Amino acid sequence: AQSVAQPEDQVNVAEGNPLTVKCTYSVSGNPYLFWYVQYPNRGLQFLLKYITGDNLVKGSYGFEAEFNKSQTSFHLKKPSALVSDSALYFCAVRDRSGATNKLIFGTGTLLAVQP
Amino acid sequence: DVKVTQSSRYLVKRTGEKVFLECVQDMDHENMFWYRQDPGLGLRLIYFSYDVKMKEKGDIPEGYSVSREKKERFSLILESASTNQTSMYLCASSLRERLTEAFFGQGTRLTVV
Repeated sequence: AQSVAQPEDQVNVAEGNPLTVKCTYSVSGNPYLFWYVQYPNRGLQFLLKYITGDNLVKGSYGFEAEFNKSQTSFHLKKPSALVSDSALYFCAVRDRSGATNKLIFGTGTLLAVQP
Repeated sequence: DVKVTQSSRYLVKRTGEKVFLECVQDMDHENMFWYRQDPGLGLRLIYFSYDVKMKEKGDIPEGYSVSREKKERFSLILESASTNQTSMYLCASSLRERLTEAFFGQGTRLTVV
């Protein structure tokens, strides 16, 4: 079965410092990986995706993610955190076992950026 | 700008009521999804649809049904609401193409009392 894991329920970082939100995956074959962000009482917004090619993927709001096949990881990163980045972040993998392209989500990581 | 719209942001219903959650997308997407979000559990798939009148069960379909009579609209139905169905419900849509991302509505926070 395909799955993703987000090992940290919460990440705390000071404004201006670099941030990393971790994600590991378990899939058969090549993974299609996604990051989404959710602000309070809102739906999910797409940040970036990895399909193939360059291991460093750039996305919205200055975020990027590094795909590492040997470590089966897809960590979300940003060089300099902003207070406004505080939100819930979800990693997801595309389920390739069926006819549709449903997403399988991790449990989410709450990012808290302190001023 | 792409849009997935859920009919209600907040709903309060009584135990045993039949509840309808509506979702409309304007992107001509083939796929539509209903997820449930609970703290510590992430998003869990309830049902999805890959075409009009087509539906498949997700991971937690018990107590729910769906309807897709038109391509742009996907309804989630709670046949007899129970308190353990109190949750945030998220609708999403995507193209059939596997490499594309899904777009989400703003969510409906349902409370069953």
